[in-house]
Amino acid sequence: GESVGLHLPTLSVQEGDNSIINCAYSNSASDYFIWYKQESGKGPQFIIDIRSNMDKRQGQRVTVLLNKTVKHLSLQIAATQPGDSAVYFCAETPMNRDDKIIFGKGTRLHILP
Amino acid sequence: DSGVTQTPKHLITATGQRVTLRCSPRSGDLSVYWYQQSLDQGLQFLIQYYNGEERAKGNILERFSAQQFPDLHSELNLSSLELGDSALYFCASSVDETSGGPRQFFGPGTRLTVL
Repeated sequence: GESVGLHLPTLSVQEGDNSIINCAYSNSASDYFIWYKQESGKGPQFIIDIRSNMDKRQGQRVTVLLNKTVKHLSLQIAATQPGDSAVYFCAETPMNRDDKIIFGKGTRLHILP
Repeated sequence: DSGVTQTPKHLITATGQRVTLRCSPRSGDLSVYWYQQSLDQGLQFLIQYYNGEERAKGNILERFSAQQFPDLHSELNLSSLELGDSALYFCASSVDETSGGPRQFFGPGTRLTVL
């Protein structure tokens, strides 16, 4: 079936280093991908999105890479800070407007001092 | 602050009871979505309303129902509660009716504990 999953449930990164969070998706018809950040006790917060006609998109300290050949999505966070500690979800939206957004289970990013 | 509000923040109840969760979308947003997030689980889409009408349905149990009112606020009703219904319930809103994009703005959630 369709699924969006993350390779690692927990990622520990030294403060100041770059973080890479990965996500695999199985629906090749997906058109739109989103990364959300969820801090403890809060709702998910939009970070960055990318459409399937792009392979890279940059924001402030974040970059999303999309590899449609292997159906892989990654979120890169530059110079990781303590405030980046959170759970990161990727989400997948098929092109069919009747299909639902599907969230992955999430990766917890832990920043080491 | 996303602009989406949810009440109550916490809710503790007993099995077999019924509760109502409330959501007010961002100003101008016509779509409201409801999600369930269990411990260490991802977000499970429950249902979407657009401008008062049901637009999309996900993994919502028959014991659960929702509606969107003319002022666009939404309520999620959970009945015959079971222990397994304990979870965080999030509401999100977006301006577009398409359940996929554009981006959705999430509220702070309601933590439901069923004892």
